[in-house]
Amino acid sequence: GAVVSQHPSRVICKSGTSVKIECRSLDFQATTMFWYRQFPKQSLMLMATSNEGSKATYEQGVEKDKFLINHASLTLSTLTVTSAHPEDSSFYICSARDLYLSSSYNEQFFGPGTRLTVL
Amino acid sequence: AQSVTQLDSHVSVSEGTPVLLRCNYSSSYSPSLFWYVQHPNKGLQLLLKYTSAATLVKGINGFEAEFKKSETSFHLTKPSAHMSDAAEYFCVVSDTNTGNQFYFGTGTSLTVIP
Repeated sequence: GAVVSQHPSRVICKSGTSVKIECRSLDFQATTMFWYRQFPKQSLMLMATSNEGSKATYEQGVEKDKFLINHASLTLSTLTVTSAHPEDSSFYICSARDLYLSSSYNEQFFGPGTRLTVL
Repeated sequence: AQSVTQLDSHVSVSEGTPVLLRCNYSSSYSPSLFWYVQHPNKGLQLLLKYTSAATLVKGINGFEAEFKKSETSFHLTKPSAHMSDAAEYFCVVSDTNTGNQFYFGTGTSLTVIP
């Protein structure tokens, strides 16, 4: 149980285009999802917290107009990188919390990540 | 405020020898603590977690960690390293009151020498 998927796993796009990454909780309801960014050989950096049915909360320094987050249902959150540039190339990882499973209340379940390369 | 310090950015061990990955935390509240492993170009896999139950926590693949409040530590150990243990390891602290945000350590890269 508690599986999180991401799609696509890898994407290459041209500079100036927009890319959408999907994060799905496959077997539980995720009222809260998180989006992280990871640079090579570095730790995960929290970008934003996404609550179902409400606007995402962005961390300081993360451009909300560039990284659009939508959490329209209890099983799906999307991250859209708008007008992507080479510096947006990174590994993006989502995670989700299952508030209805008390044993995992404090745990986040992570997706496998999406490698974005902007040419 | 919560924070995590992983004292070693890189650890090398020989196959079959013990593994020790160190983690110290700072938390204003009763913390939840986690260890995750990440293999290259993969997501994070939970090894084990501490959420105010037993202080010695056993995880998957033979790993365990001990929560020591007096030392604010949560070091990860394994009696005998396997080649497949080579990966990046992250220590994470979370606030049990909100359970919302994860605070990641900078990671420890484990190399296992055959």
